[in-house]
Amino acid sequence: QSVLTQPPSVSAAPGQKVTISCSGSSSNIGNNYVSWYQQLPGTAPKLLIYDNDRRPSGMTDRFSGSKSGTSATLGITGLQTGDEADYYCGTWDSSLSAYVFGTGTKVTVL
Amino acid sequence: EEQLVESGGGLVRPGGSLRLSCAASGFTFNRHSMNWVRQAPGKGLEWVSSISGSSDYIYYADSVKGRFSMSRDNTKNSLYLQMNSLRAEDTAVYYCAKSTGGLVPTIQVGWFDPWGQGTLVTVSS
Repeated sequence: QSVLTQPPSVSAAPGQKVTISCSGSSSNIGNNYVSWYQQLPGTAPKLLIYDNDRRPSGMTDRFSGSKSGTSATLGITGLQTGDEADYYCGTWDSSLSAYVFGTGTKVTVL
Repeated sequence: EEQLVESGGGLVRPGGSLRLSCAASGFTFNRHSMNWVRQAPGKGLEWVSSISGSSDYIYYADSVKGRFSMSRDNTKNSLYLQMNSLRAEDTAVYYCAKSTGGLVPTIQVGWFDPWGQGTLVTVSS
């Protein structure tokens, strides 16, 4: 059972915006950087956001990240059918001495 | 281009053993911590283990502690996962991933990038 909680699913029409929350605690999100990953069907995860709000080189600015206290949020603007995927947050948990992933959120484009 | 290629997956009986390998290229292998992450069929991502660049620090998930052993050979740019006493619940696609940055003083676990394509391990009689 993951220590990082995400909504199971979110959906919106093409061109709209969605946000995905990731709720943790002081031992993980509260004191470590958060990263976000996109997993398209049948493929390996791909890094979207690192250090809470930074995008890898070449990553579209339609993806954004933020963190406040013990929660983090991924935003996707200008939703496209190609954004349909599972999204995971992740961070180190200092109490567990373990890396933890969120429960995952499936994004559906209506 | 940074690349990771896993191998060694397959079908194994409960209680058996398997050794996964991950070949790295395109980056200075010994400067980065490395990780194993698995995904059971239809389930989410589960972190398995992380190892520092010099192998000084190795961390394991409680679910595999005492059964799995992670190692690396920096002369061969290779990462390994020795899996013993395998159980049905270990059935998953196993990914290796390079990690960078973060705030942990002993190991770089800020973010995972890139990831390999994964290798499937099936534990069944």
